[in-house]
Amino acid sequence: QEQLVQSGADVKKPGASVKVSCKASGYLFTVYHMHWVRQAPGQGLEWMGRINPNLKDTDYAQKFQGRVTMTSDTSTSTAYMELSALRSDDTAIYYCARAPAPRPKLGTYYYYGLDLWGQGTTVTVSS
Amino acid sequence: DIQMTQSPSSLSASVGDRVTITCRASQGIRNELDWYLQKPGTAPERLIYGASSLHPGVPSRFSGSGSGTDFTLTISSLQPEDFATYFCLQHSGYPFTFGQGTTLEI
Repeated sequence: QEQLVQSGADVKKPGASVKVSCKASGYLFTVYHMHWVRQAPGQGLEWMGRINPNLKDTDYAQKFQGRVTMTSDTSTSTAYMELSALRSDDTAIYYCARAPAPRPKLGTYYYYGLDLWGQGTTVTVSS
Repeated sequence: DIQMTQSPSSLSASVGDRVTITCRASQGIRNELDWYLQKPGTAPERLIYGASSLHPGVPSRFSGSGSGTDFTLTISSLQPEDFATYFCLQHSGYPFTFGQGTTLEI
C-alpha cells in the first residue's frame, strides 16, 4: 500500500542541524511533490516547503529561507528535510506529505492538497 | 501570503449532533481547499479535497462546501471517533497555509 515512513525521533542542541528522512513506497515517487509541515507542541500546522523529487526544484516558506534544505534521492524513493541553526522553538513534530504535481490550468496552475502523510518525526531542541 | 481564519477554535457537541466548521480565506482561492482531521498523537488525515469532494474511504457524514473565500465542513451526525481537531488547508499556491484548527469536544 502507499505509505510514507519517516525517520525516528531526534534530540539536538541549539545551533545544531537535523536531517529528517521520508521514504515513500507503493507509488511512483517522481509523480508527486513532497511537502514538509511541522507542528509545535499544542500548536497548529505550519507549511515549511516542498520539493519536486524529479527535477529537484524547491519552494520554501519565507520563515525558513536560509535555514531549510529539502532534497530527494530517486534511487531510494526518499525525501529529506534538513533544518540548521536550531533553536528551542524548532521543537516540533515534522511531517512529510505528498501532493500531486501542479498542472497547467487556464494560463496558471492548479495546485493539489496533501493526500498522504508520514507518521511524523519528533525533533527536540534542548541544551 | 493567504491567511486562513478558521472558526470556532473549539466546539462542544454530543454524539448525533450536526456540526459546522468554517474557514475564510483572505483572498479568493477558487476551490483549492482541503479539510483534515487529526487525532491526538497521530498525523493528519484528509477528509475533503477540492472544497467538496470526499477523500476515498471517508464516511459520507462528512461534507464540504464553498468556493472563493468562504468554506464549510459539516458533520451530519457526530460519532464518538469524530471528536478530534480539524484543520483547513488552502493550496492555491505557495506558501500553503492552514487554518488554526477546531477542537471538537464532547
